[in-house]
Amino acid sequence: GENVEQHPSTLSVQEGDSAVIKCTYSDSASNYFPWYKQELGKRPQLIIDIRSNVGEKKDQRIAVTLNKTAKHFSLHITETQPEDSAVYFCAASRFSGGYNKLIFGAGTRLAVHP
Amino acid sequence: GEEVAQTPKHLVRGEGQKAKLYCAPIKGHSYVFWYQQVLKNEFKFLISFQNENVFDETGMPKERFSAKCLPNSPCSLEIQATKLEDSAVYFCASSQSEGQGISYEQYFGPGTRLTVT
Repeated sequence: GENVEQHPSTLSVQEGDSAVIKCTYSDSASNYFPWYKQELGKRPQLIIDIRSNVGEKKDQRIAVTLNKTAKHFSLHITETQPEDSAVYFCAASRFSGGYNKLIFGAGTRLAVHP
Repeated sequence: GEEVAQTPKHLVRGEGQKAKLYCAPIKGHSYVFWYQQVLKNEFKFLISFQNENVFDETGMPKERFSAKCLPNSPCSLEIQATKLEDSAVYFCASSQSEGQGISYEQYFGPGTRLTVT
């Protein structure tokens, strides 16, 4: 079945450093790849997404890259700040006509130390 | 703006008891999803609806779990005879406003924490 693998499971960086989280997916028909940030006890919040017709997307300090051939996509956070500390989830979806069932990775716990 | 609402926030049930969770999707959204997040953080897809019709129930343990989305009522997820492993946070999400352009984003509710003792 569909599967999304996410690495690393935990990531510790110093404030100002970059953080990279990587995901691979198994379903070659997947065409939509969102990233969610979840703070403790809160709902997941969409931070950036990418569609399969795009290789890279950037929003201020956050960027996502997609390699469809390798079925691999990554989240890059530059100039990390303590408020970036949270659990980050990648997901993959076969988006069609508004329907968007998400298959999540297992999450990466990011800790940014001042 | 509008948000997905879920009730109750917390629910405690003894093993074998019934649990019922509710979700009010964003008004006008066509699709509703239920996800289970267990203590190790992993999200598991349970079921989805297109309006009041089940769209995909491949993630549901059907022998004990059931769900409905009826017109003019909150959607519900019911667990008969709860087990310890049902302890998790259950998130509801909705997407895609009818009559508008294609929207990719899924909006999550705050979740219901179910504890089975």
